[in-house]
Amino acid sequence: QITVKESGPTLVKPTQTLTLTCTFSGFSLTTDGVGVGWIRQPPGKALEWLGIIYWDDGKRYSPSLKSRLTITRDTAKNQVVLTMTDMDPIDTATYYCAHGSNIWVFDYWGQGTLVTVSS
Amino acid sequence: DIQMTQSPSTLPASVGDRVTITCRASQSVSDWVAWYQQKPGKAPKVLIYRASTLETGVPSRFSGSGSGTEFTLTISSLQPDDFATYYCQQYNSYSTFGQGTRLEIK
Repeated sequence: QITVKESGPTLVKPTQTLTLTCTFSGFSLTTDGVGVGWIRQPPGKALEWLGIIYWDDGKRYSPSLKSRLTITRDTAKNQVVLTMTDMDPIDTATYYCAHGSNIWVFDYWGQGTLVTVSS
Repeated sequence: DIQMTQSPSTLPASVGDRVTITCRASQSVSDWVAWYQQKPGKAPKVLIYRASTLETGVPSRFSGSGSGTEFTLTISSLQPDDFATYYCQQYNSYSTFGQGTRLEIK
């Protein structure tokens, strides 16, 4: 059974760096065709894809956020870490991580974690 | 970036109705499109991938079609559990979600 869960701070100050951890079970991120993606959703708004890490450690980022994002993995701990620099109030959102089947189809999602950016 | 534009933004409907949601891509995405359902306070759930393939466990009243730049999600006979927000996603070039279609009770 696949599960994923996000963890990290609920409140960050403007200009700070956000670090979120996705802890998963039920699959290996070294299995061919698997990805773990990050998606966010501002309150009352649409989903926004942020980035993804592949089974072979390849990474892709949203072009509009690429300069601020880093995704890494720890295969021994079954974790993926998202780092977003220079946080702004417009980055306030629920952040989700999700298992990617055939890499890009997100079939198992975490519950999401609401991150508020405020001084 | 590839933009995905959904229509309508809001769709009033009744139980038993047949409804269709459209998603248009700003450039061809072949058939690399998925559809998700999201209920308030919950994570999205994948319904369809590769434009027309039904995810395991999803009721057969859901169907998807299209290729290139135009895609549709159809629910053949609305059930009470289907009132939710629906998103399309392209994954031909990185990934982009549409702005969502809220299916509400008429």
